[in-house]
Amino acid sequence: DAGVIQSPRHEVTEMGQEVTLRCKPISGHDYLFWYRQTMMRGLELLIYFNNNVPIDDSGMPEDRFSAKMPNASFSTLKIQPSEPRDSAVYFCASRRATEAFFGQGTRLTVV
Amino acid sequence: GEDVEQSLFLSVREGDSSVINCTYTDSSSTYLYWYKQEPGAGLQLLTYIFSNMDMKQDQRLTVLLNKKDKHLSLRIADTQTGDSAIYFCAVSFNSGNTPLVFGKGTRLSVIA
Repeated sequence: DAGVIQSPRHEVTEMGQEVTLRCKPISGHDYLFWYRQTMMRGLELLIYFNNNVPIDDSGMPEDRFSAKMPNASFSTLKIQPSEPRDSAVYFCASRRATEAFFGQGTRLTVV
Repeated sequence: GEDVEQSLFLSVREGDSSVINCTYTDSSSTYLYWYKQEPGAGLQLLTYIFSNMDMKQDQRLTVLLNKKDKHLSLRIADTQTGDSAIYFCAVSFNSGNTPLVFGKGTRLSVIA
C-alpha cells in the first residue's frame, strides 16, 4: 500500500480564496482524522470520521472549515474563505485497530 | 480533556543513549504511542505500548511505561545523526477507539 496520500503538498493562496485539501486513506482503514500543525499550538485534531461518518468536529475552528468523506477512499477539507491565520500544515491520518498512519501533509500558506 | 506533556528539546552525542520523556493526565489511557517527524515530513509511527505492559523493546528502541506516575519514556540506544527529529508522544483511550492526543513534541539534536 502507498500509505496515506495527501494533495497538494504545498498550497499558496490569497486571503479570501477557497482552499480544498484532499486525502486518500489506506485501504481497509475505518477511521480518518484531520489534524492541523502549527508552531504555537502543536497538533490539533480538527475532525474525524468512522466508516465515512463524521464523529466529532468540535475541533473545527470556525464555520469557514468543512470536511467530507463521500466514500471510504477519499476525504476533503475545505476552507472558505481562507485567512492568513489558517496557514499551517494539515495532516490526514487513517487507522485500523490500534495503528494510525499519517500522510505527508499539506503546507498551506495564505497571503 | 487529556493533556500530554513533553520537554521541548534534547541534545545528545552520537553513540550515547537518548531518553525522551512524556507525562499524561488521563489514567484511562489504553494505548500510548511514539511518533517521529523529520523536517518537511509526516509523522512516522515508531512504536506503541498497551497500558497493561511495562516495557516494550524493538531493536534500538525501548519504551517504558509507569502507569502509576502516568509517565512514558522512549529510549534510543546508540543514537545516530539520522535520529535527529521531533518525537511525539500520543495517547488514546476507550480501547483505542478515540483520536490520538499528542504532546507538543521533543526536538532531538544529535551532535556528531
